[in-house]
Amino acid sequence: AQSVTQPDIHITVSEGASLELRCNYSYGATPYLFWYVQSPGQGLQLLLKYFSGDTLVQGIKGFEAEFKRSQSSFNLRKPSVHWSDAAEYFCAVGALYGGATNKLIFGTGTLLAVQP
Amino acid sequence: ETGVTQSPTHLIKTRGQQVTLRCSSQSGHNTVSWYQQALGQGPQFIFQYYREEENGRGNFPPRFSGLQFPNYSSELNVNALELDDSALYLCASSLQGLAGGEQYFGPGTRLTVT
Repeated sequence: AQSVTQPDIHITVSEGASLELRCNYSYGATPYLFWYVQSPGQGLQLLLKYFSGDTLVQGIKGFEAEFKRSQSSFNLRKPSVHWSDAAEYFCAVGALYGGATNKLIFGTGTLLAVQP
Repeated sequence: ETGVTQSPTHLIKTRGQQVTLRCSSQSGHNTVSWYQQALGQGPQFIFQYYREEENGRGNFPPRFSGLQFPNYSSELNVNALELDDSALYLCASSLQGLAGGEQYFGPGTRLTVT
């Protein structure tokens, strides 16, 4: 069955420190992978996506993610966290239908807190 | 370029009532997907509409239904509301036929069922 696991429910980092949020997926074919961010009471904003090609993808706000097929992982990283990065982060896999993304399967999210 | 908009922002209903939520897709997008996000959870796929027809459905009962209009806007209808229907309902638009096309989300409608 298709699924996404985010092992860390809550992470706290100091401002300026590096960040890595973990994501593991289960999907039978080459996955389309996404990271979204959600601020309190808001919708989801796309940070970055992986479709094919270079396994290291760059996104907005200084985020990057690396696709590792052998580990079924798509971890999100940022070298230096800013206080405004405090939010909830969701990893998702796109389940294909007819050659186009049909639905997104989300993990349960990781809530990031940033200490001054 | 206009983003995805949803209305209303908040809604309070009583168990057993019916509710309609609305979504306007991003300019140029022809596909709308609906998701339910319960408190502390990730969004769960309800269904998707393309060319005014349902194009895939998640594990939700038939009392969850939808419509898509010729201008690609969409409605989500929920009948016989239950307490567990309390959630943030998210609409996402995308361009069908674009392989791996990403979905752009609206701000959501917060539904509370009492």
